[in-house]
Amino acid sequence: GENVEQHPSTLSVQEGDSAVIKCTYSDSASNYFPWYKQELGKRPQLIIDIRSNVGEKKDQRIAVTLNKTAKHFSLHITETQPEDSAVYFCAASIKSGGGADGLTFGKGTHLIIQP
Amino acid sequence: KAGVTQTPRYLIKTRGQQVTLSCSPISGHRSVSWYQQTPGQGLQFLFEYFSETQRNKGNFPGRFSGRQFSNSRSEMNVSTLELGDSALYLCASHRLPSYNEQFFGPGTRLTVL
Repeated sequence: GENVEQHPSTLSVQEGDSAVIKCTYSDSASNYFPWYKQELGKRPQLIIDIRSNVGEKKDQRIAVTLNKTAKHFSLHITETQPEDSAVYFCAASIKSGGGADGLTFGKGTHLIIQP
Repeated sequence: KAGVTQTPRYLIKTRGQQVTLSCSPISGHRSVSWYQQTPGQGLQFLFEYFSETQRNKGNFPGRFSGRQFSNSRSEMNVSTLELGDSALYLCASHRLPSYNEQFFGPGTRLTVL
């Protein structure tokens, strides 16, 4: 099955700086890569996603890049703010036979924004 | 539009008991997936339902089961509870199996004593 590795497990950055979280996946058939943000005691929230036919996607301060050849994708957050502090999860999914397989998640990155 | 709802929010059970958790998806969404979240294993896929049929299943023992009703509401059941089943159980709603975007409910926190 699919395996998703996520690094780093903890990332501390100064407010206003950029943060980058990286993930690698094992199954070349994976074609959908979402990122979720989970604040303490709350549900995971979808913040951005990318499909395998796209190399980069941006939404305001958040961007995701995908390198299919190397089987890795990254989350980039620019101009970080205190409210960006949370655990971020990457995931991968395979769409087959008209349906989508379940999401395989990375272990998460605890992002800490230092004031 | 109302979000994904899960009931109950908290449960305390003892080993050997069974438990049933409920999930109501976003109106118009017909697929429901279930995940288990623990500090050690992270988020793990349990199963996915669409049109009252289980479409995919993760790597969990047969003690974990589920079903979906005609109104798209879903339940999952865990029988013969073990201490290791203590976790946050999350359901995710998506429009159709072919629509990957999944939106999570608040979860049910299950504690097994």
